[in-house]
Amino acid sequence: GAGVSQSPSNKVTEKGKDVELRCDPISGHTALYWYRQSLGQGLEFLIYFQGNSAPDKSGLPSDRFSAERTGGSVSTLTIQRTQQEDSAVYLCASSFGVPDTQYFGPGTRLTVL
Amino acid sequence: AQSVTQLDSQVPVFEEAPVELRCNYSSSVSVYLFWYVQYPNQGLQLLLKYLSGSTLVESINGFEAEFNKSQTSFHLRKPSVHISDTAEYFCAVSRLGAQKLVFGQGTRLTINP
Repeated sequence: GAGVSQSPSNKVTEKGKDVELRCDPISGHTALYWYRQSLGQGLEFLIYFQGNSAPDKSGLPSDRFSAERTGGSVSTLTIQRTQQEDSAVYLCASSFGVPDTQYFGPGTRLTVL
Repeated sequence: AQSVTQLDSQVPVFEEAPVELRCNYSSSVSVYLFWYVQYPNQGLQLLLKYLSGSTLVESINGFEAEFNKSQTSFHLRKPSVHISDTAEYFCAVSRLGAQKLVFGQGTRLTINP
């Protein structure tokens, strides 16, 4: 079946602009996660959804970052007033339950100029 | 809080040689342990996981890892590597009852012919 998909695959933006990153989890997966992969920080957890609620937002680096999930499916990660340090690959993962294997999408490479 | 240390950032080996990628974790509570692999220009894929039961877990492509609670380690081994094993390998931990994965910095495995 289809895996986790993310769009866009690449995003180049100017400092100060807002960006939205989209994640489509595997159908039927109730849990959804966002991570960030950057050269300096490695792989970092950002936020976790169970259904439409986010019981763990502890990894969001600042209030410029927010995420929502609707219909227990698609999720959008929004970064407001982007900064150069936001440049990274943003990864989405989903799982059927907890604990369960997290299946990762291909990521969105964000470059902030 | 949990943390993961991958002791080697890069490991070069010759084809058909054995390899061990080291992973140590720190946690005051019980954990689940994972190895993920990222092939060049691809997303993260689960290689193997330890949730409970037998401390030795195996993957379908010949890798194995052993959970050692006393040494807080989860080293990854393969008795004979192939060129196709060239990838970056990430060790990860999640706390029982928690959902997020905490990743190590990754080990880049390079196979020389």
